[in-house]
Amino acid sequence: EIVLTQSPATLSLSPGERATLSCRASQSVSSYLAWYQQKPGQAPRLLIYDASNRATGIPARFSGSGSGTDFTLTISSLEPEDFAVYYCQQRSNWPPAYTFGQGTKLEIK
Amino acid sequence: QVTLRESGPALVKPTQTLTLTCTFSGFSLSTSGMCVSWIRQPPGKALEWLALIDWDDDKYYSTSLKTRLTISKDTSKNQVVLTMTNMDPVDTATYYCARTYGPKKTRFDPWGQGTLVTVSS
Repeated sequence: EIVLTQSPATLSLSPGERATLSCRASQSVSSYLAWYQQKPGQAPRLLIYDASNRATGIPARFSGSGSGTDFTLTISSLEPEDFAVYYCQQRSNWPPAYTFGQGTKLEIK
Repeated sequence: QVTLRESGPALVKPTQTLTLTCTFSGFSLSTSGMCVSWIRQPPGKALEWLALIDWDDDKYYSTSLKTRLTISKDTSKNQVVLTMTNMDPVDTATYYCARTYGPKKTRFDPWGQGTLVTVSS
């Protein structure tokens, strides 16, 4: 099973700052990596799929990059509503199987 | 607009079988490429994928839970059902269903609101 390791576990920043979240896979996942945002009491929301594609309706301040085993989610200038938990997720080739990282909590400094 | 909604018991006893239903709208599970997945999240913990069923009735399960899980679909009702046998307190979690689609089925979008299932005697 492919393990996804997210870092840091907690990131403390202020509105307007740039956030950089990391996700590392235990083996190559090609570009089959997605990012989700989850706020308390809510379901996760897809932000980025296939490593760098923004989902419908996601603001341009969210961007994803990487391939193989190292991936990054960048939020260029934090808005108050961006403080949440972020998860990365991968899909294994065959048979289809999915794993999530343990999450990064983005909190207000 | 695509929506999904989970339903099922809020409380089950240890050793019982859990049955959850995902009712969706805005897409058809008979359309090529469409799938529905189940994912769970214990309180305060990370997400865990459980199972997926596709438009062709192919089914895939989490390796660690496959002996306990069964996923099925009723295309006419726009529903997907997940059963999990031999429930244990560690299975206490919010259970989500989500659409999975695209040529490589790499993402979950959107998600239902989730349903909290507590396992306790």
